[in-house]
Amino acid sequence: QQPVQSPQAVILREGEDAVINCSSSKALYSVHWYRQKHGEAPVFLMILLKGGEQKGHEKISASFNEKKQQSSLYLTASQLSYSGTYFCGTDSGGATNKLIFGTGTLLAVQP
Amino acid sequence: DAGITQSPRHKVTETGTPVTLRCHQTENHRYMYWYRQDPGHGLRLIHYSYGVKDTDKGEVSDGYSVSRSKTEDFLLTLESATSSQTSVYFCAVGTVNTYEQYFGPGTRLTVT
Repeated sequence: QQPVQSPQAVILREGEDAVINCSSSKALYSVHWYRQKHGEAPVFLMILLKGGEQKGHEKISASFNEKKQQSSLYLTASQLSYSGTYFCGTDSGGATNKLIFGTGTLLAVQP
Repeated sequence: DAGITQSPRHKVTETGTPVTLRCHQTENHRYMYWYRQDPGHGLRLIHYSYGVKDTDKGEVSDGYSVSRSKTEDFLLTLESATSSQTSVYFCAVGTVNTYEQYFGPGTRLTVT
């Protein structure tokens, strides 16, 4: 079952912050975050493993609450280059790193 | 860039014809995956491979088969293409130690 992402879309001005949420109905071993620009392949941003560790990537960070089976992606002081569709991918364990992706959150950053 | 190429990059085919898409990697990754991407559905796993000749089904495997006879190549075959298989197909590779997946450039397939 696909994880649920919210919001489905968000429009920001440069410099504003945003939070994208990912929620699963299954117990999770890890959550992965990807960004995809229009017409391009998804690009890996970060992975959060079981244990609730928060990770960061430039001005983008994320948290993982394994008890709630939720992850959140935080974009601070957004830049035009942050525009794209963000996907979370969830892994419920096993050796094959098989991911189930959410339907995505479209982020548009305007000048 | 994880050294992943997909061929062809674009293809138009007719309903009922077989189609094979190729994914080629140069970095000896153990895991390989095929996804399809459709509006409103995100990325959905079709099949995956965890080694040469070791493959398994994903969420949307009906109508698709795969083969992996060499580490570097993972083939996706649509046995008899249907219009519902019109989509963008992405191949990905997975690292063993870090669990990251890296995607190829995609193949846009149109079935008429």
